[in-house]
Amino acid sequence: SQQGEEDPQALSIQEGENATMNCSYKTSINNLQWYRQNSGRGLVHLILIRSNEREKHSGRLRVTLDTSKKSSSLLITASRAADTASYFCATGRGTASKLTFGTGTRLQVTL
Amino acid sequence: EPEVTQTPSHQVTQMGQEVILRCVPISNHLYFYWYRQILGQKVEFLVSFYNNEISEKSEIFDDQFSVERPDGSNFTLKIRSTKLEDSAMYFCASSVVISNTGELFFGEGSRLTVL
Repeated sequence: SQQGEEDPQALSIQEGENATMNCSYKTSINNLQWYRQNSGRGLVHLILIRSNEREKHSGRLRVTLDTSKKSSSLLITASRAADTASYFCATGRGTASKLTFGTGTRLQVTL
Repeated sequence: EPEVTQTPSHQVTQMGQEVILRCVPISNHLYFYWYRQILGQKVEFLVSFYNNEISEKSEIFDDQFSVERPDGSNFTLKIRSTKLEDSAMYFCASSVVISNTGELFFGEGSRLTVL
């Protein structure tokens, strides 16, 4: 498997429920970032968590990072229909200037 | 709010033709990137650019690809002789700091269709 894999691949929930997406990676990292992509649009940065952080919050978003398990989770609380999108994790490592993106989770929030 | 702008939004070209995709990064950003996303697949890194030179490139970024910052505001990706497998959405991004330490700001993408 490749650096940065999310699960589930697809998630369907009702408005008001919480959505949890997971990301696993293989190598050591400097930071892990989560991005959102609406269908056919560009990626929008949501949150960045550094390798020495374990948890971070931003509004309805909560991100955790477990470097021992090489995994991260993104929790969206009280989801809304507007949260319908694909969510990608991306890792930055070492002195490399690139981000390595995961395979993404497609979230569908229904009314 | 400042944003990264890309043109064209969609380009259709014949195999073997040259294509130039243009980007205007956010003005005070120092690092520039091109990524691509083949339909339904993951976002893949192509190249990063800093201080008027390529910082890093992936194995996808072969001799058919080149980047340029010709006038201090535009950042272009050129594909010299397009192949069918170059069909993808190409995203330009920029950042204040290098992406392994900070967030990227992406444009809306240029969809390239090679026939």
